[in-house]
Amino acid sequence: EVQLVESGGGLVQPGGSLRLSCSASGFTFSSYAMHWVRQAPGKGLEYVSAISSNGGSTYYADSVKGRFTISRDNSKNTLYLQMSSLRAEDTAVYYCVKGDLDYWGQGTLVTVSS
Amino acid sequence: QSALTQPPSASGSPGQSVTISCTGTSSDVGGYNYVSWYQQHPGKAPKLMIYEVSKRPSGVPDRFSGSKSGNTASLTVSGLQAEDEADYYCSSYAGLGLVFGGGTKLTVL
Repeated sequence: EVQLVESGGGLVQPGGSLRLSCSASGFTFSSYAMHWVRQAPGKGLEYVSAISSNGGSTYYADSVKGRFTISRDNSKNTLYLQMSSLRAEDTAVYYCVKGDLDYWGQGTLVTVSS
Repeated sequence: QSALTQPPSASGSPGQSVTISCTGTSSDVGGYNYVSWYQQHPGKAPKLMIYEVSKRPSGVPDRFSGSKSGNTASLTVSGLQAEDEADYYCSSYAGLGLVFGGGTKLTVL
């Protein structure tokens, strides 16, 4: 059974940093690209970032480019999202999503507020 | 990349059919056969319902179908059931990354 479990969310002040993790199981993690998708409270889905199966290629939405860094550790079956210079508008539930967007984690809430 | 355009709401009675549209451009919906649809119930993660325009993942009822014409994709839910009431989002490959629609709230009357 495919499982994606996010962690690392919480309350952070504007300008602060946070690292999200996503622990994957039930599939060959190293064979799939992975994604982060976020959803602000009461709003729609926003595509945030993606990384290729070997980590060699990455993509960032314009809204997070230069502030967020996606990475992965295939030996640990774990996906990461390092977030810095956080803004109020980054407040959202962050979902870890498997390559074909066929499996989603339960999400972790990031709240940016003073 | 601009968000794809979906109607904010749609509705139908049990047993009826409803179609939700998703309009993009030739740079996303019209340019690739990589349109997907997701169902999201309140407080839950999105669930993939349709991929590559019209394919259904295992376990998704055949009441759900997808199509595309030009820059507009559509999701049709036939034989509406109470449990189909949810938010629905489309997405499309856009050359670099993905773009989502704004979402449609489907109400079963």
